[in-house]
Amino acid sequence: AQKVTQAQTEISVVEKEDVTLDCVYETRDTTYYLFWYKQPPSGELVFLIRRNSFDEQNEISGRYSWNFQKSTSSFNFTITASQVVDSAVYFCALSEGVNAGNMLTFGGGTRLMVKP
Amino acid sequence: DTAVSQTPKYLVTQMGNDKSIKCEQNLGHDTMYWYKQDSKKFLKIMFSYNNKELIINETVPNRFSPKSPDKAHLNLHINSLELGDSAVYFCASSQDRWAEAFFGQGTRLTVV
Repeated sequence: AQKVTQAQTEISVVEKEDVTLDCVYETRDTTYYLFWYKQPPSGELVFLIRRNSFDEQNEISGRYSWNFQKSTSSFNFTITASQVVDSAVYFCALSEGVNAGNMLTFGGGTRLMVKP
Repeated sequence: DTAVSQTPKYLVTQMGNDKSIKCEQNLGHDTMYWYKQDSKKFLKIMFSYNNKELIINETVPNRFSPKSPDKAHLNLHINSLELGDSAVYFCASSQDRWAEAFFGQGTRLTVV
């Protein structure tokens, strides 16, 4: 069975600090997809990134970057120069197999609080 | 113009009642989903629906049933509501089975 672990339940940083959110996953499939979603206090779920299991290239998008390492089954998310607007719950998720219907298994989430 | 919209946003009802939550997407996506988020923020897939093929998470009670009148809609029907059904329910859609899912704003269901 697939599983996603976000060991950090809550992180608090001061604005402009860099912060890394950890995500470790378990799957028996060779084909799978990893995702990050953001849930701000308003409650909606906002898609951030999707990565397939065959693409280990790291990705950078503005202040956001992602580090995918199959050797350690990790897909970590770093926010550089954090801002108060980054305060949210961040979810890592996994979808495995070509016949799984893209049913996401979510980690428990990491609540990030950025203080001014 | 909202991509994935759910109604109602809030729903308060008594135990034993039957209720429905509507979901519509205007993205032209092929696959739609229902997720449940409990009070501790845990998100769990309930259903995936693609081209009349329904995939059900085996942990979902059969009191829950999705209904799709057309490709743009996937409504959630819940019979004989229980206190433990209180949660936020999210509808989502994706272009195909392997693309990222886009979520509605959620429906907060409270069973009293």
